[in-house]
Amino acid sequence: GAGVSQSPSNKVTEKGKDVELRCDPISGHTALYWYRQSLGQGLEFLIYFQGNSAPDKSGLPSDRFSAERTGGSVSTLTIQRTQQEDSAVYLCASSLKREDTQYFGPGTRLTVL
Amino acid sequence: AQSVTQLDSQVPVFEEAPVELRCNYSSSVSVYLFWYVQYPNQGLQLLLKYLSGSTLVESINGFEAEFNKSQTSFHLRKPSVHISDTAEYFCAVTTPSGTYKYIFGTGTRLKVLA
Repeated sequence: GAGVSQSPSNKVTEKGKDVELRCDPISGHTALYWYRQSLGQGLEFLIYFQGNSAPDKSGLPSDRFSAERTGGSVSTLTIQRTQQEDSAVYLCASSLKREDTQYFGPGTRLTVL
Repeated sequence: AQSVTQLDSQVPVFEEAPVELRCNYSSSVSVYLFWYVQYPNQGLQLLLKYLSGSTLVESINGFEAEFNKSQTSFHLRKPSVHISDTAEYFCAVTTPSGTYKYIFGTGTRLKVLA
């Protein structure tokens, strides 16, 4: 079946603009994660959704970052007033349950000029 | 709070030689441990995981890792590496309850030389 998909694959934006990154998880997966991968920094947890429960937003670096998950499926990560330090690869992953294997999408490479 | 340390950022090794990629974690509660691999120009994928039971876990391509609670380690080993094992390897930790965060290490780049 289809894996996790993310769009766009690449996004170049100017400092101060807002961006939206989309994640389509594997059908039936109730857990969805967003991570940020910066060069030499590993993966940084951003936010976790589990079914209809309130999301764990503890990893969001600032109030410019927000995310939502509609209908328990598609998720959108929004970054307002982008800064150059927001440049990174943003990864989405989904799993059946929290401790199950996470399946990662190909990522969105965000470049803020 | 949990943390993960991968001390080696790069590990060069000759083909058919053994390799160990080190991972140490810190946690005051019980943990689940994972190794993920990212091959060049590919997405992250699970290599192996420890949830409970046997402390030695194996992957389908010959890697193994042992959960050592006393040393808070989950080192990844392979007795004989192939060129195709060249990739970046990430160790990760989460807990069975409480916070739902996964904490990933900074990664170890394994380069297998001919």
